[in-house]
Amino acid sequence: TQLLEQSPQFLSIQEGENLTVYCNSSSVFSSLQWYRQEPGEGPVLLVTVVTGGEVKKLKRLTFQFGDARKDSSLHITAAQPGDTGLYLCAGDRGTSYGKLTFGQGTILTVHP
Amino acid sequence: NAGVTQTPKFHILKIGQSMTLQCTQDMNHNYMYWYRQDPGMGLKLIYYSVGAGITDKGEVPNGYNVSRSTTEDFPLRLELAAPSQTSVYFCASSYSRTGILAKNIQYFGAGTRLSVL
Repeated sequence: TQLLEQSPQFLSIQEGENLTVYCNSSSVFSSLQWYRQEPGEGPVLLVTVVTGGEVKKLKRLTFQFGDARKDSSLHITAAQPGDTGLYLCAGDRGTSYGKLTFGQGTILTVHP
Repeated sequence: NAGVTQTPKFHILKIGQSMTLQCTQDMNHNYMYWYRQDPGMGLKLIYYSVGAGITDKGEVPNGYNVSRSTTEDFPLRLELAAPSQTSVYFCASSYSRTGILAKNIQYFGAGTRLSVL
């Protein structure tokens, strides 16, 4: 059972374009994390959102946690080739020994 | 600061062979995890451990075993390897944090790319 649905699965855009990645669930999470993974490396945490409705910004990246803490989005403004990678959302229910539920990931390619 | 270290980085295994994937962390984290990553499938939890001597199954434990004799090490054992175990394996560790506003941040190794032929 896939508890976190991430979309789109693939995204190929030109440098300078904006994009949004969505992460949706029917379950409530105590927090939701976004990771970025580059080829040949493990995922690296970008941000954690904890409070319903919370918005966090990391340079050109904006992360939002849904009011009901069931969904989240990642918006990138003026994408750069360096943004290319796999983006993963992961939900923490805060109950089961720190276990995270991962979405299936979004492969982003930004062309120069 | 090494963080989470996995060895080997690559390995080719024949069907029916066994091997151990090594994972060690130097951050004194009590929680450790093993995931497998298949294309388009995200990360699936294989086993996890909340401390030395304590392990439990995750979402996809069949065909694998783990042990946790020390805080630092969490090896993953593949017995009688099958082609379905071809994957990229990631080890991760984290601090233990519980509660309504828990923030469990996991730190990942660089992965082991395993092919079973």
